[in-house]
Amino acid sequence: QKEVEQDPGPLSVPEGAIVSLNCTYSNSAFQYFMWYRQYSRKGPELLMYTYSSGNKEDGRFTAQVDKSSKYISLFIRDSQPSDSATYLCAVGFGRPLMDSSYKLIFGSGTRLLVRP
Amino acid sequence: EAQVTQNPRYLITVTGKKLTVTCSQNMNHEYMSWYRQDPGLGLRQIYYSMNVEVTDKGDVPEGYKVSRKEKRNFPLILESPSPNQTSLYFCASSLTSGSHEQYFGPGTRLTVT
Repeated sequence: QKEVEQDPGPLSVPEGAIVSLNCTYSNSAFQYFMWYRQYSRKGPELLMYTYSSGNKEDGRFTAQVDKSSKYISLFIRDSQPSDSATYLCAVGFGRPLMDSSYKLIFGSGTRLLVRP
Repeated sequence: EAQVTQNPRYLITVTGKKLTVTCSQNMNHEYMSWYRQDPGLGLRQIYYSMNVEVTDKGDVPEGYKVSRKEKRNFPLILESPSPNQTSLYFCASSLTSGSHEQYFGPGTRLTVT
């Protein structure tokens, strides 16, 4: 079983739709949760990260974490064609440069297409 | 401009021919790392470096070497490439202790025939 599972898509939605992207993870030790966005032919870029269960908003983006279910989501409101990209979830524990146990696991990504 | 650069961006080579992919960052980051990205498998860490002269294996280190002689550079070396190393490779760096944000380079698409 993979440590992080993510539906590969592609997910195609019309402009203005609300998008829901999801990941499940298997290890309850994971402490922090991230979403990266990767445009075609580019490296991933960090979109949001959170440490706790609940919701975190940033503009049109909301990251939601349910630690009891080991389930994380990214919601995009009023989706735009410029949101078309692959979205990678990532889960981790430890602190980079401080903990030898530092670990970050990426999902395989969900490809999103927002149609004009 | 703050960035991570990788060279080459595209490379086609033959089995067994040694190659090096360079990675450089201009942000004075201490932590650097190499990943490979394969369809359905996501990003998997190959090697990472906490600081100059400090490197360690990630999840898929077999067939790869790295070095960190200077803070800004972290080259990935394939001594004897094989077709199963055909992949998209990303270098990444992080700012400081406790920082979870990694800055990724643009990627190097490697094909080994």
